[in-house]
Amino acid sequence: EDQVTQSPEALRLQEGESSSLNCSYTVSGLRGLFWYRQDPGKGPEFLFTLYSAGEEKEKERLKATLTKKESFLHITAPKPEDSATYLCAVQFGGSEKLVFGKGTKLTVNP
Amino acid sequence: DSGVTQTPKHLITATGQRVTLRCSPRSGDLSVYWYQQSLDQGLQFLIQYYNGEERAKGNILERFSAQQFPDLHSELNLSSLELGDSALYFCASSVDGRNEQFFGPGTRLTVL
Repeated sequence: EDQVTQSPEALRLQEGESSSLNCSYTVSGLRGLFWYRQDPGKGPEFLFTLYSAGEEKEKERLKATLTKKESFLHITAPKPEDSATYLCAVQFGGSEKLVFGKGTKLTVNP
Repeated sequence: DSGVTQTPKHLITATGQRVTLRCSPRSGDLSVYWYQQSLDQGLQFLIQYYNGEERAKGNILERFSAQQFPDLHSELNLSSLELGDSALYFCASSVDGRNEQFFGPGTRLTVL
């Protein structure tokens, strides 16, 4: 059973069409939830860290929120340059490793 | 640019061979992590070093080994390579083990 599940697997939006990506997790003892952006063939680029339920973080057109069992990445009025795979990862228990979901591939059409 | 550097960018080799991947963490970061990314498995944690000492191991094969040197750079050694080892290998670093990890550009390994 996957510990981190992201949905949808792929999302196609028109420029300016806002939407949300979901990341649900089944681990206990969450220490942190991390969002990354990854362009093809590149390394993941850090976006946000969320530590506790109710926390929210924003950066330009992106806003990340956290509840007890899931996180959302809201994209407001996206642009074509927001096209990428968005990865969610959790750190839990006594471990410092990141456990990743399989990502959501976002395509924003002009 | 995350500040994490990895060399080489690309590596093409044959089955049965041995290769070494190198990573330099961001200035000031003591923790180094290695991850493998393949199409079907996503990003998988391999191993973590903290200030020269091994701290955690993930699903790392016995054919793979790593070390972190006194200057904090790290090397991942892959031996007896198989076709299935073809993947992107990423190094990440963090100040300590509790904060966000910053990823390097990766090494694309192709085993023929």
